[in-house]
Amino acid sequence: EVQLVESGGGLVQPGGSLRLSCVASGFTFSTSWMHWVRQAPGKGLVWVSHIKSDGRDTSYADSVKGRFTISRDNAKNTLYLQMNSLRAEDTAVYYCSSDGAYALHGWGQGTLVTVSS
Amino acid sequence: QSALTQPPSASGSPGQSVTISCTGTSSDVGGYNSVSWYQQHPGKAPKLMIYEVSKRPSGVPDRFSGSKSGNTASLTVSGLQAEDEADYYCNSYAASNSWVFGGGTKLTVL
Repeated sequence: EVQLVESGGGLVQPGGSLRLSCVASGFTFSTSWMHWVRQAPGKGLVWVSHIKSDGRDTSYADSVKGRFTISRDNAKNTLYLQMNSLRAEDTAVYYCSSDGAYALHGWGQGTLVTVSS
Repeated sequence: QSALTQPPSASGSPGQSVTISCTGTSSDVGGYNSVSWYQQHPGKAPKLMIYEVSKRPSGVPDRFSGSKSGNTASLTVSGLQAEDEADYYCNSYAASNSWVFGGGTKLTVL
């Protein structure tokens, strides 16, 4: 069974930084593409970032490009999202998800990031 | 990276069928057979219901089906049940390793 457990969320001031982690189990993490998806309070799902299995190929939504960095440590079965220059509009629950056939098959429970002074 | 277009709401009575549309462009929905659908109950993580336009992951009831015509994909829920009441989101691959979600549709079982 796919298990994804996010952590690292919390309250941060505008302009601050935060690093999210997602520990994976129940599948072969090292060969799986991975995503981050976010959902602002009361709003819909928004795709944020993607990383291929070897970590060399990454992509980002325009809204976070240049501020967020996705990475992974296949030895630790862990996905990361480094978030810098945070803005109020980045406030959301952040989910990590495992990819299969260009769809998001497994999902974590999410971690809440609140950007506020 | 514009969001796909979904109706904000849909409804049906138990036992009926309801179809939710998802309209994109030739750069996403129309260009790839990589459309997926997700169900999300309040306070819960999304759940994959359909991938590659019409395939169901194991465990998803065959009451859920997907299709695509041109730039519009559709999710049909047949034999509506109370537990189907949830938010539904479509998603499509959109080239250059990017993905895009629809705005979501709130399905109400009357």
